[in-house]
Amino acid sequence: EVQLVESGGGLVQPGGSLRLSCAASGFTFRNYYMNWVRQAPGKGLEWVANIKQDGSEKSFVDSVKGRFTISRDNAKNSLYLQMSSLRAEDTAVYYCARDRWELRATHYYYCGMDVWGQGTTVTVSS
Amino acid sequence: QSALTQPASVSGSPGQSITISCTGANSDFGAYNYVSWYQQHPGEAPKLIIYEVSNRPSGVPDRFSGSKSGNTASLTISGLQAEDEADYYCSSYITSAVFGGGTKLTVL
Repeated sequence: EVQLVESGGGLVQPGGSLRLSCAASGFTFRNYYMNWVRQAPGKGLEWVANIKQDGSEKSFVDSVKGRFTISRDNAKNSLYLQMSSLRAEDTAVYYCARDRWELRATHYYYCGMDVWGQGTTVTVSS
Repeated sequence: QSALTQPASVSGSPGQSITISCTGANSDFGAYNYVSWYQQHPGEAPKLIIYEVSNRPSGVPDRFSGSKSGNTASLTISGLQAEDEADYYCSSYITSAVFGGGTKLTVL
């Protein structure tokens, strides 16, 4: 079964740090771009960061640049989000999600985030 | 990337059809066909229901359809069912993803 399982969430004080993990199973993890997407309480989805298959390229939403880092360990089929200098506005459920790209002829086409984890909750509060 | 604008809520009766719009703020949205739609029931993770404007992943009923005209994409759900009541998010992708604010669908 294709599955993503997040862990590492919890309560942290403002200014603190937290590391989220996402364990992948049921597919060849090293072949996929991966994302972190978050959802603040009662709010919509917000893309946070993504990372290329080999970890060589990473992108972040402006609000977390310089505070969050994304990494992966393909040998362990795992994705990580290191969060530092946390703020109250970082409080959210954090999901990891897989990007699906489809090869047609000689080009790859983006086909959405097709696998999501169940999420892990991060609460930033004193 | 710029934000995507969706109506906050829509509603319909069982058996009816509804359409949710998603408007991009600049021409990038109109130029690319990387529009996806996600369904999210309360307390659950989002689920991909449409990709590349109008394609459905395996297992998604054909009651769900997507389209795009200019800077506005649309999700149409025909033959509404009670289980369609959920939040729906559009998303576009250029070098990274951006989501719309979400639309709450109420089945009356």
